[in-house]
Amino acid sequence: RKEVEQDPGPFNVPEGATVAFNCTYSNSASQSFFWYRQDCRKEPKLLMSVYSSGNEDGRFTAQLNRASQYISLLIRDSKLSDSATYLCVVSPMGGADGLTFGKGTHLIIQP
Amino acid sequence: SAVISQKPSRDICQRGTSLTIQCQVDSQVTMMFWYRQQPGQSLTLIATANQGSEATYESGFVIDKFPISRPNLTFSTLTVSNMSPEDSSIYLCSALAGDREQYFGPGTRLTVT
Repeated sequence: RKEVEQDPGPFNVPEGATVAFNCTYSNSASQSFFWYRQDCRKEPKLLMSVYSSGNEDGRFTAQLNRASQYISLLIRDSKLSDSATYLCVVSPMGGADGLTFGKGTHLIIQP
Repeated sequence: SAVISQKPSRDICQRGTSLTIQCQVDSQVTMMFWYRQQPGQSLTLIATANQGSEATYESGFVIDKFPISRPNLTFSTLTVSNMSPEDSSIYLCSALAGDREQYFGPGTRLTVT
């Protein structure tokens, strides 16, 4: 079983629409959760940390469900610039550990 | 956050040779890490670069193949030794800023012929 699983997509979404991705993780002891964004041929960039209470940053909302071991990301009012690969990332013991990455979900926003 | 630079940004090397990649952070950080991203794949952790002691390697990665140095709190190197075409990959360093969030360098794109 893969440690972090994501639907690879691609998700083709019209500009202005709302899109949601989920990912699941296998290590129930995981402590820290993140969404990173990776553009083609670039390094991953931190989009947001994910907290148990859920958190929102502008058009982006992240949720964590520890009981079911899944993490979600919702993007509202999608922009062309949101086109990227979104990586679900888990850390087993907190931020001081190495990160375990999912393979990413490819999002394409269409005009 | 932390601003991270890597050198070289890319290289083409012959099999059997070694390449050392440098990672520089703009501020002192407690933790630094090295990852590999093979073509079409996501990132895989190679090791944690420990300041003042030997690096901690993940399963499948060994010191003889990927020696790592961390002489201070802002700098680390990763050497890819005795390279083969299977080592062709992007190598990225990261640094822990604060207590939970890692930031990545731009990566070193390595091609082994």
